[in-house]
Amino acid sequence: EVQLVESGGDLVQPGGSLRLSCAASGFTFSSYWMTWARQAPGKGLEWVANIKQDGSEKYYVDSVKGRFTISRDNAKNSLYLQISSLRAEDTAVYYCARSAGYTYVYYFDYWGQGTLVTVSS
Amino acid sequence: DIQMTQSPSTLSASVGDRVTITCRASQSIGKWLAWYQQRPGKAPKILIHEASSLESGVPSRFSGSGSGTEFTLSISSLQPDDFATYYCQQYESYWTFGQGTKVEIK
Repeated sequence: EVQLVESGGDLVQPGGSLRLSCAASGFTFSSYWMTWARQAPGKGLEWVANIKQDGSEKYYVDSVKGRFTISRDNAKNSLYLQISSLRAEDTAVYYCARSAGYTYVYYFDYWGQGTLVTVSS
Repeated sequence: DIQMTQSPSTLSASVGDRVTITCRASQSIGKWLAWYQQRPGKAPKILIHEASSLESGVPSRFSGSGSGTEFTLSISSLQPDDFATYYCQQYESYWTFGQGTKVEIK
């Protein structure tokens, strides 16, 4: 059974930093692109970042470029999102998701339950 | 950037009703469209990919159609479990979601 479990969400002051983690199990982690998406309270879904199987390609939504870094450790079956220079508008539930597709990211076929990041003073 | 627009934003319906949700893309995306269901407090769940391909395990009352810039998600006979918010998502160029359609009980 595919499982994705996020952790690391917290209350952070504006300008602060945080590292989110996602522990994957139930599939061959190193064979899949992986994704972070987010959902602000009461709002819709927003794709945030993708990373290729070997970490050689990464894509980010414009609003987080230069502030967020996606990474992975295939030996630990783990995905990470380093988030910095946090703003109030980054407040959201952050989801880890598995990406369907091998050479390209198509849709997201499995999602974790999410971890809440709150940016507030 | 490709923008995705769903309509309506909210839909009131009764158990047994047929409902249809529309998703429009700001430019042609071929058939590169997925639909998700999200229940309150839960993660999204993939329903349909490539505009009309039903994911394994998804009830056959769900169906998708369309290509280019206009797409629809239909539920043939609404069940209690179907009251949720539905999102479309394009993957032709990067990845963007529609704003969501909430299906609520009439």
